[in-house]
Amino acid sequence: SQQGEEDPQALSIQEGENATMNCSYKTSINNLQWYRQNSGRGLVHLILIRSNEREKHSGRLRVTLDTSKKSSSLLITASRAADTASYFCATVPGGYNKLIFGAGTRLAVHP
Amino acid sequence: DAGVTQSPTHLIKTRGQQVTLRCSPKSGHDTVSWYQQALGQGPQFIFQYYEEEERQRGNFPDRFSGHQFPNYSSELNVNALLLGDSALYLCASSWRTENLEQYFGPGTRLTVT
Repeated sequence: SQQGEEDPQALSIQEGENATMNCSYKTSINNLQWYRQNSGRGLVHLILIRSNEREKHSGRLRVTLDTSKKSSSLLITASRAADTASYFCATVPGGYNKLIFGAGTRLAVHP
Repeated sequence: DAGVTQSPTHLIKTRGQQVTLRCSPKSGHDTVSWYQQALGQGPQFIFQYYEEEERQRGNFPDRFSGHQFPNYSSELNVNALLLGDSALYLCASSWRTENLEQYFGPGTRLTVT
């Protein structure tokens, strides 16, 4: 079973716009990670936020984590056509080193 | 610095057959995890190997088994293949069993007919 649930399932925007994806989860976590996947290939790690952190930045990416609401968001600013991909949040349950993925958000950025 | 490699890239098998998938971890990594990703879904954790032992296992039947070699590479074996085993199989490596990011290989696309 998958713990995380991403919202929306699909997102279509124009280049230059911001894209926001949300993730909710059910149990306590050690950390939460976001991954990108292009066309059914391998996943690329984007960012990791620990349970005691509230916000983290990496380039055009901004991730927030609200452990009281068991939710996280990924913001991609000034999107580019190359950002077109599926984005997954993955939780790491406390005491375990395994990733539990949601079903992902499919992002399409149009030139 | 070589990343995670997997072989083969694609594989077609018939129901009831057995299959072996292979993975070499990123240089410096000693822990390998395997995931199954059905079309349109997120990856699901199968199991994790560290120090040549299965350390954690997801909700997969015993038809799924694995092995880790002294050089940290790993194999995933699936017996008595079912149509529902058709999926992208992803290998990920990390350092020890720390709760850090995992590095994924490109995957093996398995089709069971």
